[in-house]
This record gives sequence, structure tokens and C-alpha cells, in this order.
Amino acid sequence: EAQVTQNPRYLITVTGKKLTVTCSQNMNHEYMSWYRQDPGLGLRQIYYSMNVEVTDKGDVPEGYKVSRKEKRNFPLILESPSPNQTSLYFCASSPATTNEKLFFGSGTQLSVL
Amino acid sequence: KNQVEQSPQSLIILEGKNCTLQCNYTVSPFSNLRWYKQDTGRGPVSLTIMTFSENTKSNGRYTATLDADTKQSSLHITASQLSDSASYICVVSRNRRNNAGNMLTFGGGTRLMVKP
Repeated sequence: EAQVTQNPRYLITVTGKKLTVTCSQNMNHEYMSWYRQDPGLGLRQIYYSMNVEVTDKGDVPEGYKVSRKEKRNFPLILESPSPNQTSLYFCASSPATTNEKLFFGSGTQLSVL
Repeated sequence: KNQVEQSPQSLIILEGKNCTLQCNYTVSPFSNLRWYKQDTGRGPVSLTIMTFSENTKSNGRYTATLDADTKQSSLHITASQLSDSASYICVVSRNRRNNAGNMLTFGGGTRLMVKP
């Protein structure tokens, strides 16, 4: 089944403790991206990647890192999480970036205490 | 400033009724406009994608319209079902500089509840 898989689904952590949220897609998509969704705000892009070893900042990249060593994986890294990073995170992928629809993962609800 | 505004913020309708959701945008340069459906606790799922030259596009009981001159779009849901209860998100895409892909601007969504 074609899908975007994120793990974990829920995560509670403390300020400053490094964490990684994994994202994997099995559709051979070139484009992958990370978003955060907060109440009252639309989805906001954190980072995106147009292909392997190519990543770039989105609207809200501060406090996050990503890597794209393989086509299928695009992990999101929080080196030193802070409470303002408590949010619902979505990974998404598409074949390209122009008129192709995005496929979203099921989301990761992160709470930073 | 590139923005996407959706209205209403929330809407309650009875099962079987029709409804229309609105999306106004100021994104430029325009590439395409997308509507997504997001069930509670799930990732958004694509409903339609429309380019500049497309005025209307349907996906089952969902029909999206686009007026690129007034920068407005609507999503019409016909004969609503309980499973239509979800948030509907309007997303406008613009081209990045140096042809470095597209930038997406998301609206805040309309939360639709369909009651029996």
C-alpha cells in the first residue's frame, strides 16, 4: 500500500532532550516536506527536500534540522526541544513539486514539557 | 503578503444538505490551488488541484471552482454525508525563485460538521 509513515504517533519529552521524528515513503517520491499544525493557524512548512541530499528551509525552520540521505526517508530532528515546539507534525511527499498532490502521513503529536 | 483566508471558520449542516466553503487568496505568482480534507487526528487528503486555466473541477460530490481574476475559490459539497465531517483546507501554490519548486500557503481551514 502506497503510504507515508511517521513515527512515533505520540511523543512526550522534556525541554532540551534531543529527539527525532522519522518519516518514510514507499512511492519513490522525489519531494518530501515537514509541516507543523497549531490551533488557529494553518499548516506551516518547516523544511522541504526536492531530492536526495537537497534540503531547504520553509516558513518556520528555527529549532529544527532535517536530512535526506536516502530517497525514502526524511527525518525531522529537534536538537534541543522547547515548549513552543509542542505541536502536531506532518510529513508529506509528492512525485514533484508543481501540480502533483501531496500525500500526508498520519501525524506526530509532540508535547515538550 | 501571501495569505489564504477561508470562510466560514466552522459550519454545521444537516445530512443530505449542500454547502459551499470559500477561499480567498493573495498569493503571487499563482501556480495552482488545492483543496484538502482533513479528518480529526489524520493527515490531509487531496480532493482537487486546479491550475490557472481551470475554472471548475469535480471529485465525486465535491466540486471546486476557481476565479483567478478575483483570487477566489469555492468548494461545494453536494448531498452531504456524515463522513463529510472534517476540516477542509485551501492551499495555494506559488513558484519559488530560480525555479526551485513551489511554495505552499495553507488556509486555516473550515471545520464542517454534518449532523443526522
